Amino acid sequence: AQKITQTQPGMFVQEKEAVTLDCTYDTSDPSYGLFWYKQPSSGEMIFLIYQGSYDQQNATEGRYSLNFQKARKSANLVISASQLGDSAMYFCAMREGPGSGYALNFGKGTSLLVTP
Amino acid sequence: NAGVTQTPKFRVLKTGQSMTLLCAQDMNHEYMYWYRQDPGMGLRLIHYSVGEGTTAKGEVPDGYNVSRLKKQNFLLGLESAAPSQTSVYFCASTFRGLPYTDTQYFGPGTRLTVL
Repeated sequence: AQKITQTQPGMFVQEKEAVTLDCTYDTSDPSYGLFWYKQPSSGEMIFLIYQGSYDQQNATEGRYSLNFQKARKSANLVISASQLGDSAMYFCAMREGPGSGYALNFGKGTSLLVTP
Repeated sequence: NAGVTQTPKFRVLKTGQSMTLLCAQDMNHEYMYWYRQDPGMGLRLIHYSVGEGTTAKGEVPDGYNVSRLKKQNFLLGLESAAPSQTSVYFCASTFRGLPYTDTQYFGPGTRLTVL
């Protein structure tokens, strides 16, 4: 079974600084997808960024980038120039295979607090 | 374009009562999912559907039933609610789920409390 580990229950960062949220995964499948979602205090799940197992380059979406190290099985989220509105829970997830309908397998999340 | 909607947003039940959560999507997505989120945990898969008329069990299916009679709707039923089912329930959908790239779109969630 696939597994996602987020080892940082909580993180603090000062506004305008960069922050890295860690994610490691475990799978024996050669094909997989890795996702990051943001969950603000209002509760909705907001898609941030995706990385495919065969992608040669690290994914980027605006201030979000994914530091993908396939050999180490890590997919860390980097948020540059943090803003107060970035304070939220962040979840790393892996796309499972057809046996689970390509559902997402989530880590337990990291709570990020951005301070002025 | 509403995306994924969930009804109701909040509900309080007594132990043993039943209820149905409704998920609707207007994106013509094939795949739909029900997850639950408990404090300090990520989302866990309850049931999923890969198309109209199909359903399958996920990681934590006990105590729940689902139906997908129409492509756009995915219903989650609790026949006899228990306090352990107090949780936030999320519905999600995706176009085809192949080949691992399609984004899952989430509904706003339903907060359920079972007393």
